[in-house]
Amino acid sequence: GDSVTQMEGPVTLSEEAFLTINCTYTATGYPSLFWYVQYPGEGLQLLLKATKADDKGSNKGFEATYRKETTSFHLEKGSVQVSDSAVYFCALIGGSGYSTLTFGKGTMLLVSP
Amino acid sequence: EPEVTQTPSHQVTQMGQEVILRCVPISNHLYFYWYRQILGQKVEFLVSFYNNEISEKSEIFDDQFSVERPDGSNFTLKIRSTKLEDSAMYFCASIRTGITDTQYFGPGTRLTVL
Repeated sequence: GDSVTQMEGPVTLSEEAFLTINCTYTATGYPSLFWYVQYPGEGLQLLLKATKADDKGSNKGFEATYRKETTSFHLEKGSVQVSDSAVYFCALIGGSGYSTLTFGKGTMLLVSP
Repeated sequence: EPEVTQTPSHQVTQMGQEVILRCVPISNHLYFYWYRQILGQKVEFLVSFYNNEISEKSEIFDDQFSVERPDGSNFTLKIRSTKLEDSAMYFCASIRTGITDTQYFGPGTRLTVL
């Protein structure tokens, strides 16, 4: 079945540092890929998505590129802020034609001033 | 901006009791989902619902679980006889249409089974 693997957290950074959170996937077919973010006490919010190979999703300074050859969708941000502290989930949908999201375990990001 | 809402935010129950978790999806959305996240583990799909019937379910969604859309706005998840291992955060989600549409999530209900 489909699966998503994310790097273990927590990731601890100072403000303005560069962020990378690794995500790789296994899926049949041609999945769409997503990054969701969960701020403390809130639900899951879509951060960005990419629906085909070589697409780049971007939002709020975050970027991720759909790399079919390496089955990866790594999340990056050039300069993190304290307000970016949250849990980040990589997910995929549609690899097998179904509409359910398959999530990674989530990576907690802690940004200090 | 429209959002998915869930009630209650936290539910504590005794093992063996029935619980009903409630969700109000976004009003023009057609597909509805329940997911759960046991503490420290992945978010897992439970069930999807479309046109007043279950369209997909996972192996987690056994006979003790049921879903219902009792009126035009609510979408409920019932657990008939709760077990300790049902303790988790339960998320409701909805999409307007289409398999790869963005799923909008509610804030979750934390269920604690004692």
